[in-house]
Amino acid sequence: DAGITQSPRYKITETGRQVTLMCHQTWSHSYMFWYRQDLGHGLRLIYYSAAADITDKGEVPDGYVVSRSKTENFPLTLESATRSQTSVYFCASSETGTLYGYTFGSGTRLTVV
Amino acid sequence: GESVGLHLPTLSVQEGDNSIINCAYSNSASDYFIWYKQESGKGPQFIIDIRSNMDKRQGQRVTVLLNKTVKHLSLQIAATQPGDSAVYFCAEKNGNKLVFGAGTILRVKS
Repeated sequence: DAGITQSPRYKITETGRQVTLMCHQTWSHSYMFWYRQDLGHGLRLIYYSAAADITDKGEVPDGYVVSRSKTENFPLTLESATRSQTSVYFCASSETGTLYGYTFGSGTRLTVV
Repeated sequence: GESVGLHLPTLSVQEGDNSIINCAYSNSASDYFIWYKQESGKGPQFIIDIRSNMDKRQGQRVTVLLNKTVKHLSLQIAATQPGDSAVYFCAEKNGNKLVFGAGTILRVKS
């Protein structure tokens, strides 16, 4: 399904650089989420948004910035990338927040060298 | 894509057998749970959910059991198929967010 798309699919960046991961959904879902997935840690919530212009921190927000100027877009920015931010990043959306779960994108594999 | 579950618990089952994947959750006040399936290189996909006022819920070939006394959730897959090979995550509702477990790898042997 192209309902929720993430770009780029793969990204390699250098330590200290700024990088933005994009997330776009076509359903007009109110809620959007960013998770990172690391070996042995499962999915950890970075930031989420309940609506346009409303964002909240999740479990691991340090080093990340988000914005939600439009309902359909929820970009995640690493202001100064560090090696510890090497991970697979997943964006998700949901109409109701948690009921009936989230729909995930295909992920962005980010490597910081 | 590269697997993200190389150090996770692994369950190996023979094709056609039933699989049981277990999950312990932490918050006794959680009232909603979901099982997700994640295939290599893809995002997690919703399988089945259950509310805390239920003990059991069945879907197509899958059943989720909830034991609130010991805070335990299980996913049963009947007649496991090669296409069921994936990482399986449980998630519990925490406020208006979902908290995910670390996951279990299911490997189906033909």
